[in-house]
Amino acid sequence: GQQVMQIPQYQHVQEGEDFTTYCNSSTTLSNIQWYKQRPGGHPVFLIQLVKSGEVKKQKRLTFQFGEAKKNSSLHITATQTTDVGTYFCAGQQSDSWGKLQFGAGTQVVVTP
Amino acid sequence: NAGVMQNPRHLVRRRGQEARLRCSPMKGHSHVYWYRQLPEEGLKFMVYLQKENIIDESGMPKERFSAEFPKEGPSILRIQQVVRGDSAAYFCASSPTDMAYEQFFGPGTRLTVL
Repeated sequence: GQQVMQIPQYQHVQEGEDFTTYCNSSTTLSNIQWYKQRPGGHPVFLIQLVKSGEVKKQKRLTFQFGEAKKNSSLHITATQTTDVGTYFCAGQQSDSWGKLQFGAGTQVVVTP
Repeated sequence: NAGVMQNPRHLVRRRGQEARLRCSPMKGHSHVYWYRQLPEEGLKFMVYLQKENIIDESGMPKERFSAEFPKEGPSILRIQQVVRGDSAAYFCASSPTDMAYEQFFGPGTRLTVL
């Protein structure tokens, strides 16, 4: 079955530094979504990528969808303490709409 | 417009008891999804429902777990004869459509089995 892998599992970042989290699917995806979950909270939607090679930006966050639609990345520049949380990618396939296959997440800790 | 509501927020059960988790989707959303999250892990899809129909239950354990989304009222995730391994956060999400659309998550129910 479809598997979504995400690395790294943990990311310790100094405030002001950049980091990237990567997501890889064993199968071609219809789209990929990114969510953020604060400690003790629930996942909150960040963005969706649909097209091959698509790049989207949200302020300091840059999201990419690979050409083969099997991998994705999230790059955060100039990390702030508000970026603390776990970032999940979630893939969706057209033969199982509704079902989001989540990666294990990257837990981000920011030190001032 | 209220978000997705789940209750209870915290639920404690002893082994062998039943757990009932409720989810009210956002207004106008007819698609409901349940996910389970073990500590320090990602979310695992359990089931996808529309009103009165189970669309995809490929993530549901074969025994003890059931879900429904009746014509009236909230969606219910029911766990019979709970065991310690059922301890987890259970999140419900909803969306107005299932095709390539974001899902809106509720605050979750934290189930603890003693």
